[in-house]
Order: sequence, then structure tokens, then C-alpha cells
Amino acid sequence: NAGVTQTPKFQVLKTGQSMTLQCAQDMNHEYMSWYRQDPGMGLRLIHYSVGAGITDQGEVPNGYNVSRSTTEDFPLRLLSAAPSQTSVYFCASSFRDRGYNEQFFGPGTRLTVL
Amino acid sequence: DQQVKQNSPSLSVQEGRISILNCDYTNSMFDYFLWYKKYPAEGPTFLISISSIKDKNEDGRFTVFLNKSAKHLSLHIVPSQPGDSAVYFCSNTNAGKSTFGDGTTLTVKP
Repeated sequence: NAGVTQTPKFQVLKTGQSMTLQCAQDMNHEYMSWYRQDPGMGLRLIHYSVGAGITDQGEVPNGYNVSRSTTEDFPLRLLSAAPSQTSVYFCASSFRDRGYNEQFFGPGTRLTVL
Repeated sequence: DQQVKQNSPSLSVQEGRISILNCDYTNSMFDYFLWYKKYPAEGPTFLISISSIKDKNEDGRFTVFLNKSAKHLSLHIVPSQPGDSAVYFCSNTNAGKSTFGDGTTLTVKP
């Protein structure tokens, strides 16, 4: 199992550009989430999904879109990049209703917006 | 409003001694609390959890304590090892939606 994979690992954008961060998991997990981590701060939830076709907003959803057409994939789209979106982005997945629902994280995408 | 808070951004301990990391929470409507460990340039990895109906869970060198009346949990690492140096996050989860504290950076000195 590859677990949770994220691409790209690094990305530099100019203000106003759009891009998609890819996330895939091969563990048949129902739940998937996107987080951002800024220096000195914890993980803040952007969007999450409890299953294919179902998404919901987290704590900091503005400027981001998601969709979940398959169980495996959960891409995050930046519509018009802003310097405030410079951060490290983590995708995570977990089983549903398995007790403590441990999340498995990808290695992260480091995004810089100039 | 942040539902879990880690008030100590850093902790330094000597190898072999005990490390105690703390976390406070505001919302009691969670079934589980979890601790994650994160090394630089990697994603967090799950460390240990505790059910809200228990007050202690132990896994090797790691023990988590839950004080429901104080809305406080703590992670004890005994004995601490240099490889434990990392950022530790406490978290809770409800129906697929998780909240994380800001993390505590633990440094274990040889």
C-alpha cells in the first residue's frame, strides 16, 4: 500500500494563478481531509469529505474548492492564489466508525505564493 | 473557536527523564482524543489515543491521561529518547471532522 500520496511536493505560484493539489489514498478510507499548517500553528481544517460525492467546509475554506468523485481521490483547488495561502498543505484519510478513527497523513505539499 | 489548546509551545528534557505534554479542551462531545507526532518535512503520524470513557491509556513508553472534570489531557513519555524529539499535536475527532492544537515541540537532549 502506498498510503496517502500528495503531488506536487513543492510549488511556487504567482498571485492570481490557479492550481490543483492532488491527494490519493489506497486504503479504501471513507473520510478524507485537507489541512494547512502555518509556522507555529497547528493543522487547520480546510475541507473534508465523509464519502464519495459528499464534502463540507472546515475552519478555513475561503479560496479553496474540493470535490470527491471517487473514494480514492480528493483534489484541492486554489481558485486564485494569494500570498496568504503560502503554507504547507496536508491531506489525510481515515476509516469511518472504527473507534478512534486514526488519520493517515500524506507527506505534504509546500506552497509558496509570490 | 479552537476546541483543543496546547499552551506550551516547547519543552526540553534530558534523555531518560519523563516528558509531559499537556492539552486542554473546551468541547466534551467527543468520543476520542488522539496524539500525533510530527517530524520536520513529514506528515503527522498517529501515536496514541484515549476514549472519553477512560482516564488512562498506555502503550509502551507512552501513556495518555484524561481528566474530564478539568477538561485536560496529558501525554507522558518515559523514558524520553532523542528520537522522540518532534512536534506533538493533540486532536479530537467528531464525524470525520478533526481539530488540532498548535503543537508542542519536544527536544530530548542526549
